[in-house]
Amino acid sequence: SQQGEEDPQALSIQEGENATMNCSYKTSINNLQWYRQNSGRGLVHLILIRSNEREKHSGRLRVTLDTSKKSSSLLITASRAADTASYFCATAHGSSNTGKLIFGQGTTLQVKP
Amino acid sequence: DVKVTQSSRYLVKRTGEKVFLECVQDMDHENMFWYRQDPGLGLRLIYFSYDVKMKEKGDIPEGYSVSREKKERFSLILESASTNQTSMYLCASSLRGGNHQPQHFGDGTRLSIL
Repeated sequence: SQQGEEDPQALSIQEGENATMNCSYKTSINNLQWYRQNSGRGLVHLILIRSNEREKHSGRLRVTLDTSKKSSSLLITASRAADTASYFCATAHGSSNTGKLIFGQGTTLQVKP
Repeated sequence: DVKVTQSSRYLVKRTGEKVFLECVQDMDHENMFWYRQDPGLGLRLIYFSYDVKMKEKGDIPEGYSVSREKKERFSLILESASTNQTSMYLCASSLRGGNHQPQHFGDGTRLSIL
């Protein structure tokens, strides 16, 4: 399996702190995507970074990609209790019209008020 | 906004039953996917479809089949339900494209097989 791996598996921080989650993968990618899942709900797409990009921002989210190390990080700044969720990276490999992604096992983030 | 609707949030069935999970999307997406999610195992792809009547096996297709008769609907079928198929099932859809468009998920069906 080319499954990505997230690190850490679980993270607990105080409101206002920054949260950093990492994702590593094994083979070359087309793009890498981050998703959030609130408890008992489906996944929601957060951000997509292409293989030729190194950094991308969306609001309080900052994603970096290092293709030489086959790794990505998701930074959530000034975290809020509402950011409590599981976060997954997903990698897209090769050129394909099927849209198939490989999901990691996720990082569970708890933000304490 | 894309809406992916799964027919049931919770479902309880008995061992040996044939179980149908339905998924409908309203944004004319070509690609549709079925995953199961289990603690510690993340999302595992069961089957996916990139066009009407087309289907491809994912990583764990055993014990499952799918049907895509219309573009907006993708059904997952458990031919003879077993207790090890108790899980959260997630449906997703995406636009076709060489750039692997983001997937849009339904809220899931939590299936219990007794």
